[in-house]
Order: sequence, then structure tokens, then C-alpha cells
Amino acid sequence: GDSVTQMEGPVTLSEEACLTINCTYTATGYPSLFWYVQYPGEGLQLLLKATKADDKGSNKGFEATYRKETTSFHLEKGSVQVSDSAVYFCALVRTGTASKLTFGTGTRLQVTL
Amino acid sequence: DAGVTQSPTHLIKTRGQQVTLRCSPKSGHDTVSWYQQALGQGPQFIFQYYEEEERQRGNFPDRFSGHQFPNYSSELNVNALLLGDSALYLCASSLAGQVLAKNIQYFGAGTRLSVL
Repeated sequence: GDSVTQMEGPVTLSEEACLTINCTYTATGYPSLFWYVQYPGEGLQLLLKATKADDKGSNKGFEATYRKETTSFHLEKGSVQVSDSAVYFCALVRTGTASKLTFGTGTRLQVTL
Repeated sequence: DAGVTQSPTHLIKTRGQQVTLRCSPKSGHDTVSWYQQALGQGPQFIFQYYEEEERQRGNFPDRFSGHQFPNYSSELNVNALLLGDSALYLCASSLAGQVLAKNIQYFGAGTRLSVL
């Protein structure tokens, strides 16, 4: 079945450091890929998405590129802020599955001053 | 424009009881999906409702059931509660018929269920 594997957290960074959160997936066909963010006490918010190979999703300084050859969708940001502290989830939707999302286990990011 | 709203925010039940959680989708959306998020885990898909029918279901027992009303709002019912049902229950809404690239799911803040 479909699955998403994320690097385990927590990830602790100083403000302005570079961020990479690894995500790889297993799915048949050509899934769409997503990063969602969950701030404390809140639901999930879509951060960015990519729907086909080599697409780059970007939002709020975050980027991720859909790499079909390595089945990866790593999340990156050049300079993190304290306000980026949250849990980040990588997810996929397989074509034809009526938008059922399959999530990774999440990676907690803690940014300190 | 109201987003996805869920009620109640928190709920405490005991083993064996039954619970009903409620969700109102984002304005203009007609599809509701429910997810269970255990502590420290990613959300797991329970089921999805469209046109008042269950369209797709994840690997959850029949104790988990749902309903969608003509106004597109939805309920999640869980019978014979177990300790393992303690989790954050998330509702997500979307619009059927959108091409996948635009079919983004919007999540509510969730209902935290504690089973004692």
C-alpha cells in the first residue's frame, strides 16, 4: 500500500539556520505530494504541494521538489524563524483515490533564538 | 468566510461509551473526510463522505460510522469506545469535481477525545 516516511524529530535549529526535512514515499502510479504544517493546538494547514515529477512547490520561504527517480519530496528553507516551530507532515494522494491523504508520522521543528 | 469547524473541542468518555463528533465544512465544499491522529503520529484516514454516502473507507472497524447531512455537514460516531480510541479527530473538507491539482483539503482544528 501507499506509505510516507519522514525523518524523525525533533529537529532543533537556531534562528536563521538552514532546514531540510527528508520525506520519501511509496505509491503506485503518480501521486500528488504535499507538506502540511500543524502549529500547537491547531489543525493542519497546507504548506505547499506538487502534482507531477520535477514540480517545485513553494510557500513562505519553504520549498520542496517532486523527485520521481528517488521518490522523494524533501522540505527545505534557507533561514528558519522562531515562528516556524511546528510539526511538519509529508503526505500523498494517489491518483484515483478520491483525495484520501496518506501521511507520514510528522517531524517536530523547534527553532530557538 | 468560515473555515472548517469542529465540535466539541475536547471530550472525555469512558470505555464502552459512544461518542458523536461534528464537522461543518468550509463554505462551498461538499466532501468531508475524517482522520484519526494518535499522539505523536500522522493522521490516519477513517472515511470520506460525498452526497450523503460513504465514498471511501480506511482500515477502521465498524465501530466507526458516519453520516453526512444535506447541508454537507458531517458526524463521526464511535461505539463501544476503547482506550486506544483516544486521539485527535480531524475533519477535512474539499470540493468534489475539482481536478486533483486543485482538490485541496482544508482541515479543522480537531476534537481531542480522551477515553478513560
